[in-house]
Amino acid sequence: EAAVTQSPRSKVAVTGGKVTLSCHQTNNHDYMYWYRQDTGHGLRLIHYSYVADSTEKGDIPDGYKASRPSQENFSLILELASLSQTAVYFCASSDRGRNSDYTFGSGTRLLVI
Amino acid sequence: GQQVQQSPASLVLQEGENAELQCNFSTSLNSMQWFYQRPGGSLVSLFYNPSGTKQSGRLTSTTVIKERRSSLHISSSQTTDSGTYLCAMESASSGSWQLIFGSGTQLTVMP
Repeated sequence: EAAVTQSPRSKVAVTGGKVTLSCHQTNNHDYMYWYRQDTGHGLRLIHYSYVADSTEKGDIPDGYKASRPSQENFSLILELASLSQTAVYFCASSDRGRNSDYTFGSGTRLLVI
Repeated sequence: GQQVQQSPASLVLQEGENAELQCNFSTSLNSMQWFYQRPGGSLVSLFYNPSGTKQSGRLTSTTVIKERRSSLHISSSQTTDSGTYLCAMESASSGSWQLIFGSGTQLTVMP
């Protein structure tokens, strides 16, 4: 079954440390996205990509980097984790151009201490 | 300003009552989508609705592009409908597509 798989499911990181969140999709979608959700809020777009080896900035890219080494994989990198980056992170893929089918991963709960 | 505004922010119903959730957008868009977020996190797509009305069981989505609004109607609510409902508009920016979310409606259905 086509899916978007995120790892890890949860993580505790130390302030100033490096964090890498991984996402893998089997949907054969061109577009992949990283969103963050803060308690009681909707999702905000951090980075996205519509082709391998290329990434684009979303609405809140500061403090985050992204990497798309292949069509299937998309990573979000926090080089210097900060307390304000505590949130739930969602990865999604999309077949934009067909019927805009968006599939979301289950989320990664990140706690920065 | 915020491009997608949802209302109400929260809603409490008795089982069997109907609910009407609203979403208004401030910029041009390609389409509107509705998602359900389970308590605990994952999102499930309910409707992809670029315009007009779509129905699935007890759920009905109506999007009126020229009025920049979309609604989600839940009829005969059940306790299992509890959770967060998110609308999202799809728009193009710099030649690529993005999904921009509203802040959600937290729905609680009491038995």
